[in-house]
Amino acid sequence: EVKVLESGGGLVQPGGSMRLSCAASGFTFTDFYMYWIRQPAEKAPEWLGFIRNKVNGYTTEFNPSVQGRFTISRDNTQNMLYLQMNTLRAEDTATYYCARGRFGGGFLFDYWGQGVMVTVSS
Amino acid sequence: DVQMTQSPSNLAASPGESVSINCKASKSISNYLAWYQQKPGKANKLLIYSGSTLQSGTPSRFSGSGSGTDFTLTIRNLEPEDFGLYYCQQHHEFPLTFGSGTKLEIK
Repeated sequence: EVKVLESGGGLVQPGGSMRLSCAASGFTFTDFYMYWIRQPAEKAPEWLGFIRNKVNGYTTEFNPSVQGRFTISRDNTQNMLYLQMNTLRAEDTATYYCARGRFGGGFLFDYWGQGVMVTVSS
Repeated sequence: DVQMTQSPSNLAASPGESVSINCKASKSISNYLAWYQQKPGKANKLLIYSGSTLQSGTPSRFSGSGSGTDFTLTIRNLEPEDFGLYYCQQHHEFPLTFGSGTKLEIK
């Protein structure tokens, strides 16, 4: 069974940093693109970025809205995905989701985690 | 960025009825449009991609149509488990963007 499970959320002060983790299981992790998406309360989801699979060299792409502040990495030995968030702002407050890229590609998300809440506040 | 506008924002229907949800892109995205279902306490579910292709496991009562800028998700013969939030997403270009959502409620 495919599973992705986020962890590491919580309260952080403006200007601070936080790293989210995502544990993946039930599939060959290195074969898939992995994505981060966030959703502020009562608002639409926002795609943050992704990291490609082994065949495509594990390169990354980001939404310009977070480019330069957020980075994505993966530990393929542990089947873990990470989102490093720096210089956090109040508007980064949201539920953050890890998602697997759809098998077959297409910049789509076929398995999502339950999400983890990040609150940026003093 | 491609802006995605969904309508209506809220929709009420009874089990057994059919409903349609619309999604309009601010520029042509060919057929690169996906639909997701979101329900409290459950993982988001990819329903349809490339405008009309059902993701594996999506019931056949769901269908998608459209191309260019205008798209529609139709759900026929509503089941109780179909009630929830629906989002469209363009997968044509970066940044990937989502619609504002449609809340489908039981009448």
